[in-house]
Amino acid sequence: TQLLEQSPQFLSIQEGENLTVYCNSSSVFSSLQWYRQEPGEGPVLLVTVVTGGEVKKLKRLTFQFGDARKDSSLHITAAQPGDTGLYLCAGAYRFTGAQKLVFGQGTRLTINP
Amino acid sequence: DTAVSQTPKYLVTQMGNDKSIKCEQNLGHDTMYWYKQDSKKFLKIMFSYNNKELIINETVPNRFSPKSPDKAHLNLHINSLELGDSAVYFCASSETRPVRVRGKEQYFGPGTRLTVT
Repeated sequence: TQLLEQSPQFLSIQEGENLTVYCNSSSVFSSLQWYRQEPGEGPVLLVTVVTGGEVKKLKRLTFQFGDARKDSSLHITAAQPGDTGLYLCAGAYRFTGAQKLVFGQGTRLTINP
Repeated sequence: DTAVSQTPKYLVTQMGNDKSIKCEQNLGHDTMYWYKQDSKKFLKIMFSYNNKELIINETVPNRFSPKSPDKAHLNLHINSLELGDSAVYFCASSETRPVRVRGKEQYFGPGTRLTVT
């Protein structure tokens, strides 16, 4: 069962355009994390949002956590070719001694010069 | 200064063989994980250990057996390999203290690409 729906799965746009990636779930998460994965490497954390309604900015990237802590979005302003990559959202459940991450399907983003 | 390392990077083997993947982290973390990423890039948790104790055990065939000799190492042994086991396997680690802090970052290794022929 896919608990976290990420969309779109593929996105190809021109340099300078804006885009938004969405992650939606019916589950409430203790936090939501966004990762970026380059070919041949493991995912690397971009940001963690914890509080419902929280907004975090990382240069041209804006991350938002839904009020009910069930969904999140990633907005990129004026996309650059360097933004090309696989973006993964992950909802976190806390266990004693560990944290279970449930990943979305990923968004493969291509920014064309 | 590698944080999470995995060996081997690539593993090609035949059906029915038994193989192991090793993982080590030098971050001083107390929790380690194994994930499987399929050909569509979907990443799914398999196991998690905290200080050598199994915490998370997802619905994984019992041909997969994790072993944690100490909190810096988490190895994955796979018996009787099948074609469907072909994937990239990622090891990760994280802190779990202080408990009151939500959103602990997980640090991923570079992955082991397993191909079963």
